[in-house]
Amino acid sequence: DAGVIQSPRHEVTEMGQEVTLRCKPISGHNSLFWYRQTMMRGLELLIYFNNNVPIDDSGMPEDRFSAKMPNASFSTLKIQPSEPRDSAVYFCASSLSLPNEQFFGPGTRLTVL
Amino acid sequence: KQEVTQIPAALSVPEGENLVLNCSFTDSAIYNLQWFRQDPGKGLTSLLLIQSSQREQTSGRLNASLDKSSGRSTLYIAASQPGDSATYLCAVGSRDDKIIFGKGTRLHILP
Repeated sequence: DAGVIQSPRHEVTEMGQEVTLRCKPISGHNSLFWYRQTMMRGLELLIYFNNNVPIDDSGMPEDRFSAKMPNASFSTLKIQPSEPRDSAVYFCASSLSLPNEQFFGPGTRLTVL
Repeated sequence: KQEVTQIPAALSVPEGENLVLNCSFTDSAIYNLQWFRQDPGKGLTSLLLIQSSQREQTSGRLNASLDKSSGRSTLYIAASQPGDSATYLCAVGSRDDKIIFGKGTRLHILP
């Protein structure tokens, strides 16, 4: 298996633009997690899905953030409009079931100018 | 609210030495605890997962222990090598499915 796949790996955009981050979990995994990592706050859970259903989105910072999982093999995290303080590395992770060992993707480094 | 603390934030150790990384958590009602390694600019790699019913897990030169009653876990690295240099993160899983991470310990093994 190729592991968790994220795209793009790097994204540079201007304030106010829409940003869409993509994630393909490991095949067969039924839980998917979106995290954000910054120097100041460390690694924070934004939202997670189980069997494509959002279970807990209490970590989503604002209404500007939204996440979807239309099927078991794809999820998106969207920021609209983006702001400079959204600059961070965004990780996607998946696991076979809740709660269980999580496997992380390589991350998307987002820079909002 | 669960809080996970890792001390020290950074550690430098000569090659060949054994070392211990520490993780503490405030709520002992955990489901599992996971240790990760993160290399600069990279994602997280799972090292060891300890279920709440277990006291330790071993993988090669790594040994992780869990003491729920005292809210502590340690990651022991034997015979350290320069390739062990990375940031090590502790993550606590609770029964409400939340995963809380510590901020990590940056480890530097001196050749």
